Amino acid sequence: AQKVTQAQTEISVVEKEDVTLDCVYETRDTTYYLFWYKQPPSGELVFLIRRNSFDEQNEISGRYSWNFQKSTSSFNFTITASQVVDSAVYFCALSEADNYGQNFVFGPGTRLSVLP
Amino acid sequence: DGGITQSPKYLFRKEGQNVTLSCEQNLNHDAMYWYRQDPGQGLRLIYYSQIVNDFQKGDIAEGYSVSREKKESFPLTVTSAQKNPTAFYLCASRPDRGGRSPLHFGNGTRLTVT
Repeated sequence: AQKVTQAQTEISVVEKEDVTLDCVYETRDTTYYLFWYKQPPSGELVFLIRRNSFDEQNEISGRYSWNFQKSTSSFNFTITASQVVDSAVYFCALSEADNYGQNFVFGPGTRLSVLP
Repeated sequence: DGGITQSPKYLFRKEGQNVTLSCEQNLNHDAMYWYRQDPGQGLRLIYYSQIVNDFQKGDIAEGYSVSREKKESFPLTVTSAQKNPTAFYLCASRPDRGGRSPLHFGNGTRLTVT
């Protein structure tokens, strides 16, 4: 069965600090996809990144970076030099390759508060 | 611009009444989904549809019903049988049923039942 764990319920940092959001997943499939979403106070979930299980290359996009490690089943998300606008709930999610749309499993989310 | 429109943004109902939440997409996506989010919690799948005139129950379908008569529309009815209907409801879509496609979300409807 699939499962996504985000152990950090809430994190508070001061602006310009770096912060890492942890994500650990479980799946029996060899081919799967991992995602990160941002949910600002407005409520809409915004897609940030997708990573394929066969591509362990880390990715950087501006102040955002993602570290995918299959050996530890982790897909962590780091925000460098955090800003107040980064305050949101962040969700990690897992989707298996041939699930025909049924199982897009979300973690419980981590609420990030960036204080000025 | 393409996207998913959920309406209304806020909805108030009396206990015992059925209520229908609207979800329309112009992304030409095949698959559509309804999720429920309770305060401080993650998303739970209510129903999903991979194609017109077909839909499947998710993890918490009891007390809810859906229809998919058109590709663009996937309305959710919260019936009086749903014991705790007050929640934030999110509609999503996906280009196809393959696992690699990300979900695209609407802005959500916050339902309050008193």
